[in-house]
Amino acid sequence: QQQVKQSPQSLIVQKGGISIINCAYENTAFDYFPWYQQFPGKGPALLIAIRPDVSEKKEGRFTISFNKSAKQFSLHIMDSQPGDSATYFCAASINTGTASKLTFGTGTRLQVTL
Amino acid sequence: GAVVSQHPSRVICKSGTSVKIECRSLDFQATTMFWYRQFPKKSLMLMATSNEGSKATYEQGVEKDKFLINHASLTLSTLTVTSAHPEDSSFYICSAPPQGAWNTEAFFGQGTRLTVV
Repeated sequence: QQQVKQSPQSLIVQKGGISIINCAYENTAFDYFPWYQQFPGKGPALLIAIRPDVSEKKEGRFTISFNKSAKQFSLHIMDSQPGDSATYFCAASINTGTASKLTFGTGTRLQVTL
Repeated sequence: GAVVSQHPSRVICKSGTSVKIECRSLDFQATTMFWYRQFPKKSLMLMATSNEGSKATYEQGVEKDKFLINHASLTLSTLTVTSAHPEDSSFYICSAPPQGAWNTEAFFGQGTRLTVV
């Protein structure tokens, strides 16, 4: 059972545009929601993360919006650049110390065109 | 930031042989490391949790005799794919949280591309 659903599967955005990737979760016990960026042939790198006590977090061009009642969260990339072309994964976890595990979404391949 | 290094980055082996993949935390100690498997254009699937000084914890459906995990020190975990077959070809990624950090704050290695021919 896929506990974190991610959409779209792929996304093409023009340079300077806004890229939006959405995720929805089922387990209301999740309390940590990170986003990862992965380039081909590389491991994922943490981009930005949010906890459910806030509705929005912004770091540079990257913003997470969190809707606890809808059990949804999204990543917005402002002023998208060709260098942002990568696969993005949302994830969720329950932070119970040493027992914490990340559940990943299915990924979104972002292509930013010139 | 903290660095997790995997070796090798890619390996090709013959069917029936065993392959060892190393995961090292270069500038911090990690009592726990995670091993993931990723198929092309797919998400990361947790295979097992490696615990320093004790047995690894495997996720449901992962064969522990097939994927041997050893966490011999606070900076090294190894994954050995035994009697590899073409269906074991995949991208294997490890992650490690610094001691004291939550497991979800782990840093990922660069991955190992395994091709079994």
